[in-house]
Amino acid sequence: DQQVKQNSPSLSVQEGRISILNCDYTNSMFDYFLWYKKYPAEGPTFLISISSIKDKNEDGRFTVFLNKSAKHLSLHIVPSQPGDSAVYFCAASARAQKLVFGQGTRLTINP
Amino acid sequence: ETGVTQTPRHLVMGMTNKKSLKCEQHLGHNAMYWYKQSAKKPLELMFVYNFKEQTENNSVPSRFSPECPNSSHLFLHLHTLQPEDSALYLCASSQVRDASPAFFGQGTRLTVV
Repeated sequence: DQQVKQNSPSLSVQEGRISILNCDYTNSMFDYFLWYKKYPAEGPTFLISISSIKDKNEDGRFTVFLNKSAKHLSLHIVPSQPGDSAVYFCAASARAQKLVFGQGTRLTINP
Repeated sequence: ETGVTQTPRHLVMGMTNKKSLKCEQHLGHNAMYWYKQSAKKPLELMFVYNFKEQTENNSVPSRFSPECPNSSHLFLHLHTLQPEDSALYLCASSQVRDASPAFFGQGTRLTVV
């Protein structure tokens, strides 16, 4: 039972354009959502988070949007840079309990 | 410097060996986790420790044995592993009872031969 799903295994974007990564969840008890970035053979690095009381959170080039009615969140990166090429995981938790991760989306930024 | 340090970074072991993975966090967190990442799979939660007490074991085989002597240190003892146990093993920590992110170590790349 995959409670957090990232349906796109990969995404390719041109440098300077917007990258949009999507994530869907099924558990309506989730109240905290996060995005992590991961390079090969390294641990995930925390990027940005959002609680369920908000629908948008912005940090520099990164913005996370939450649509609770659709049980959907997305990560926007603009402008995309070559160093953004990595695997991105979304994660969710309910009542500050364990994180549940999606399968990841490999983002490639083309020069 | 991520605040969560894992050693060793790489480990090759035979199926009859015994080895241990070590994790240390310097963030003052009170929860620690072991995750497994196999190729083309989501991160799999293995164990959770809150305030040094194990609160979750996700049906992990007994050949993996965790130990949490204090809230800053976490070990994963390995014994008679199988080749399919080869994976990246990640340690993480967080502040329990607070909606806050978990921070990960760099991981140990384990190869069982």
